[in-house]
Amino acid sequence: KQEVTQIPAALSVPEGENLVLNCSFTDSAIYNLQWFRQDPGKGLTSLLLIQSSQREQTSGRLNASLDKSSGRSTLYIAASQPGDSATYLCAVRRGYGQNFVFGPGTRLSVLP
Amino acid sequence: GAGVSQSPRYKVAKRGQDVALRCDPISGHVSLFWYQQALGQGPEFLTYFQNEAQLDKSGLPSDRFFAERPEGSVSTLKIQRTQQEDSAVYLCASSLRVAGVETQYFGPGTRLLVL
Repeated sequence: KQEVTQIPAALSVPEGENLVLNCSFTDSAIYNLQWFRQDPGKGLTSLLLIQSSQREQTSGRLNASLDKSSGRSTLYIAASQPGDSATYLCAVRRGYGQNFVFGPGTRLSVLP
Repeated sequence: GAGVSQSPRYKVAKRGQDVALRCDPISGHVSLFWYQQALGQGPEFLTYFQNEAQLDKSGLPSDRFFAERPEGSVSTLKIQRTQQEDSAVYLCASSLRVAGVETQYFGPGTRLLVL
């Protein structure tokens, strides 16, 4: 059974810092991995999607990497801003038409 | 077009009541998923539809939970005799495979509180 963990559970940083969020999964046979952002009381916003054949994806200040063999992904946020404060969720899928297995999330606070 | 929509956005039920949660997927999306997110946790899979066929319901926590998608578009998640532990956010997602890549789009969720 696939299990996804995220470290740290919570993180508080001053504005402007670069930071790394970590995601680990136990079964390397994945179809893709996706990072989401969730604001309090809101739904999920997709940030980056990495297919199993890819090593990384970038969007603006965000960069996500994937190492399937070691079962790890990292989300790098450059020059953090208070507006980045949210919970960041990592999720993996086994195949097309398969459900996501989510990690518990990392709760990020960026202090002005 | 519009994204995935869910209704109601908030629902308060007394313990023992039945509730019905609606999901309107993106038009043309074949796959539809339901997830349950408890407070402070990541979402957990409940059930999956491909068109009107319910292909996986392994995540439904009990036989009080029932989902349907009779015409392959709108889906309803029904919870009978609600319990306090059913309090959670229920998320719906739909997806379509294009050029070998499938992306799930999530709705805003229905926040259920059982008193």
